[in-house]
Amino acid sequence: EVQLVESGGGLVQPAGSLRLSCAASGFTFSSSWMSWVRQAPGKGLECVATINQDGSEKYHVDSVKGRFTISRDNAKNSLYVQMSSLRAEDTAVYYCARGVGTMGDYWGQGTLVTVSS
Amino acid sequence: EIVLTQSPATLSLSPGERATLSCRASQSIRSYLAWYQQKPGQAPRLLIYDASNRATGIPDRFSGSGSGTDFTLIISSLEPEDFAFYYCHQRTNWPHTFGQGTRLEIK
Repeated sequence: EVQLVESGGGLVQPAGSLRLSCAASGFTFSSSWMSWVRQAPGKGLECVATINQDGSEKYHVDSVKGRFTISRDNAKNSLYVQMSSLRAEDTAVYYCARGVGTMGDYWGQGTLVTVSS
Repeated sequence: EIVLTQSPATLSLSPGERATLSCRASQSIRSYLAWYQQKPGQAPRLLIYDASNRATGIPDRFSGSGSGTDFTLIISSLEPEDFAFYYCHQRTNWPHTFGQGTRLEIK
């Protein structure tokens, strides 16, 4: 059974940092594009970052460039996003997802990040 | 950035009726268009990928069509569990983007 389990969310102060993790199981993690997608409270969906199978290609949406970094460890079947200089507008549920929009699409249940003083 | 515009914003229908949701792209996205359903407190669920292919386990009352810039999701006969938010998504160019969503509510 495919599983994506996010962790690391929580309350953080503005300008603070946080690292989210996603533990993958039930499929060949090293063969999959992976992404982080977020959803602010009561709002729509936003693709934050995506990474290719071996980590050699990474893309970040402009609103997080220079502040967020996506990475992966295929030996640990894990996806990460390091978030720094956090702002109130980064408050959202962050989903780990495989192959967004493709036949292999699969999403975790999400982890909530709240940026507030 | 490719902008996806969904219409209508809200669709009010009764069970058994046909729902037609639209998604228009600001430039051609070929057929790299997906549709998602989302219910409160849940992750999005893929319904359709590559414009017209139903995802695994999706009932055949859901169908997608279109290519280029104009796409449609049709739910042929609404079931009570279909009332939710629907989003379209493109993966042609980065940043991959979602439409703003259509809320399908019970009339």
